[in-house]
Amino acid sequence: AQSVTQPDIHITVSEGASLELRCNYSYGATPYLFWYVQSPGQGLQLLLKYFSGDTLVQGIKGFEAEFKRSQSSFNLRKPSVHWSDAAEYFCAVGATGGFKTIFGAGTRLFVKA
Amino acid sequence: NAGVTQTPKFQVLKTGQSMTLQCAQDMNHNSMYWYRQDPGMGLRLIYYSASEGTTDKGEVPNGYNVSRLNKREFSLRLESAAPSQTSVYFCASRRGAQGGGGNQPQHFGDGTRLSIL
Repeated sequence: AQSVTQPDIHITVSEGASLELRCNYSYGATPYLFWYVQSPGQGLQLLLKYFSGDTLVQGIKGFEAEFKRSQSSFNLRKPSVHWSDAAEYFCAVGATGGFKTIFGAGTRLFVKA
Repeated sequence: NAGVTQTPKFQVLKTGQSMTLQCAQDMNHNSMYWYRQDPGMGLRLIYYSASEGTTDKGEVPNGYNVSRLNKREFSLRLESAAPSQTSVYFCASRRGAQGGGGNQPQHFGDGTRLSIL
């Protein structure tokens, strides 16, 4: 069965510092992978997605993620965090031929001045 | 470009009352979804509609019913609300395709915050 694990419930980083949010998935074939961001009081917005090809994908707002098949990971990174990046981040996996998307439990990011 | 619109945004109910959450999308998407979001539990799928005319249970369907009214609209009904259904409810849509469209992202509404006393 597919599953997504985000090991960190919350993370605090200083403004201007680098960020890495972890995501591990379980899936038998090459998955479709997504990162979404949720600002307070809003729905989820797509940051980036991976289907195939280059294992480093670029997204909106300066985010990138790297797919590592050997580690079943799809970690999200940003070189320099801004206070506006404070939000909750969800990793998700979609299945070939499937209608569902499986979401991780989310990681809440706090940014300190 | 409205995307996915949910109504109402907030609602307080008493135990045993019924209500319907409305969702409409203007992107001509085939697939639509209802999730609930609770602290520490991420998003849990309640029901989904792969295409107009079809609906299927998700992970947590008990206590809910859905109607895919047409291609645009997908409603969620609580027949007899219980305090355990206090949550934030999100509707989402996806273009979909034959074979599911697992490679396509979902587009979310801003949610309905529902409290049941």
